[in-house]
Amino acid sequence: QKEVEQNSGPLSVPEGAIASLNCTYSDRGSQSFFWYRQYSGKSPELIMSIYSNGDKEDGRFTAQLNKASQYVSLLIRDSQPSDSATYLCAVNIGGAGSYQLTFGKGTKLSVIP
Amino acid sequence: SQTIHQWPATLVQPVGSPLSLECTVEGTSNPNLYWYRQAAGRGLQLLFYSVGIGQISSEVPQNLSASRPQDRQFILSSKKLLLSDSGFYLCAWRGGREQFFGPGTRLTVL
Repeated sequence: QKEVEQNSGPLSVPEGAIASLNCTYSDRGSQSFFWYRQYSGKSPELIMSIYSNGDKEDGRFTAQLNKASQYVSLLIRDSQPSDSATYLCAVNIGGAGSYQLTFGKGTKLSVIP
Repeated sequence: SQTIHQWPATLVQPVGSPLSLECTVEGTSNPNLYWYRQAAGRGLQLLFYSVGIGQISSEVPQNLSASRPQDRQFILSSKKLLLSDSGFYLCAWRGGREQFFGPGTRLTVL
């Protein structure tokens, strides 16, 4: 069973701090990694994708990938109350030619004003 | 740009009743389409995916079925709903390696 694990939280950070969200996965053949943000009652929204080892930055968001450790993380700098949501990690399963995604259960983030 | 629609937005159905949820995509042709379910306290579960008209792959055996009668239309159905079918049903399309979700249908089975 291919798995994606995330801490369920809640993770509470003060406004302006860095929020760090972590995800581990079991399929060594995975090549594509995604972070989705899901506000309560809404559908998930893709915020970051990463395919190579290292860091990828987009505005206040940085995704970090370490395939050797089977670990992907999302950093949110200068956290805002509007960042309060559940963050889902998703990983492709079945190797490089597969587009099937397995999702973690999500980490709930609360940014305290 | 691509847009994905789902309806209805919310649905309350009695146990044993039929179900039909519809998903349509605009702005792209021959997309890969997916149905997911998100139940309370559980992660997103892939139910079905389709790579083209009439081509459906099932990931989880259950009382649900899916059909793709047109290139940009994907339908989720059931003949008899169970209490355990309650959840948030999400349709997604694939662009490149990424998947994008529709607004979802919240189904409550009573």
